[in-house]
Amino acid sequence: SQQGEEDPQALSIQEGENATMNCSYKTSINNLQWYRQNSGRGLVHLILIRSNEREKHSGRLRVTLDTSKKSSSLLITASRAADTASYFCATDAKSNTGKLIFGQGTTLQVKP
Amino acid sequence: NAGVMQNPRHLVRRRGQEARLRCSPMKGHSHVYWYRQLPEEGLKFMVYLQKENIIDESGMPKERFSAEFPKEGPSILRIQQVVRGDSAAYFCASSPSVAGVETQYFGPGTRLLVL
Repeated sequence: SQQGEEDPQALSIQEGENATMNCSYKTSINNLQWYRQNSGRGLVHLILIRSNEREKHSGRLRVTLDTSKKSSSLLITASRAADTASYFCATDAKSNTGKLIFGQGTTLQVKP
Repeated sequence: NAGVMQNPRHLVRRRGQEARLRCSPMKGHSHVYWYRQLPEEGLKFMVYLQKENIIDESGMPKERFSAEFPKEGPSILRIQQVVRGDSAAYFCASSPSVAGVETQYFGPGTRLLVL
């Protein structure tokens, strides 16, 4: 099974609601990153949280990291239709080459 | 500051042909990573290169795939004798240093379709 597994696989909400996505991983990490991918497009970096951090905010995004449970969550508050995309977590698995290990992603649909 | 550039954006090849995918990292970035994304899946690491060196190719298929990052010019991912299973989106990412502490910035990807 994979390092970095997102849950749920798909999420559908109404505009204005909050969206929470979870990510679990298996090995020790230096950091964990969240990316967004619009359909058929490249990845956009959202936020990086280091292993010694527990929570980080960026605009309407809030990321938490629990290294004891090897899990992270991404919260998008006051969602907008433009937030419709796939969201991936990626870990470095303490690799000294920096390669990222991605989960399968959560597909978020925000209905206007 | 231009982002990571990849070309072509779309590439169609027939089985047995060669595919060459190019990636120009962000200015000032000397570390390049290639990832492959199959439909409805996450990205899978393929190879990590610095200028003129392959550092980690643990994700590269053993045959037909090669990568380079010459002193001058873009990084190239080369797939020889393509098969239908090679159809995927190939993403390049760059960082200024080893991404243990640095964000990787991704290009728009090259979508390869093998007929």
